[in-house]
Amino acid sequence: QKEVEQNSGPLSVPEGAIASLNCTYSDRVSQSFFWYRQYSGKSPELIMSIYSNGDKEDGRFTAQLNKASQYVSLLIRDSQPSDSATYLCARFGNEKLTFGTGTRLTIIP
Amino acid sequence: GAVVSQHPSRVICKSGTSVKIECRSLDFQATTMFWYRQFPKKSLMLMATSNEGSKATYEQGVEKDKFLINHASLTLSTLTVTSAHPEDSSFYICSAQPDITSGRAAKQFFGPGTRLTVL
Repeated sequence: QKEVEQNSGPLSVPEGAIASLNCTYSDRVSQSFFWYRQYSGKSPELIMSIYSNGDKEDGRFTAQLNKASQYVSLLIRDSQPSDSATYLCARFGNEKLTFGTGTRLTIIP
Repeated sequence: GAVVSQHPSRVICKSGTSVKIECRSLDFQATTMFWYRQFPKKSLMLMATSNEGSKATYEQGVEKDKFLINHASLTLSTLTVTSAHPEDSSFYICSAQPDITSGRAAKQFFGPGTRLTVL
């Protein structure tokens, strides 16, 4: 089992709708989780960090963490064409980040 | 804040030459920097962890003699790809982790990446 798993997509969402991205992880030790956005040919950009169970909201983004289920998600409300990118889930453990393979999101105008 | 720069952004070299990539944290001190490699349509793969003033820790399968890392100061780490070959062509990305005392522990901020093409 991979340490961090994501559905590679592509995920297509109409403009203005909610995009839901999911991620599962295999260990129970990880304490910190991150969502990064990566545009084609560019490096990742940190969108959200979450450390505690529950929801964390920042603008149009909401991260959800459920440690019992080893599950972390990212919701993007009012999706915009500029949100089209690959979203990488990462967990911090053993002093390093481990990334999922990313989910490619396309917002359809 | 939390800006990380990389230089060069793009490099093309002949097989057998060495290439040095610089990673700088511009507005914070980074006791730890990380070097990643990303192949097309793949995720980031950690190559090594670089700690200021000490030897880098390499991930399994990464040749330390081929990928030389120097973390000479709290704001600068360099990666040298020695005797580069076409299979080393990739997108190399560094990240910097602010000093834990800054209150931003564990977050990593990425540089813009360096695209290396070896002919």
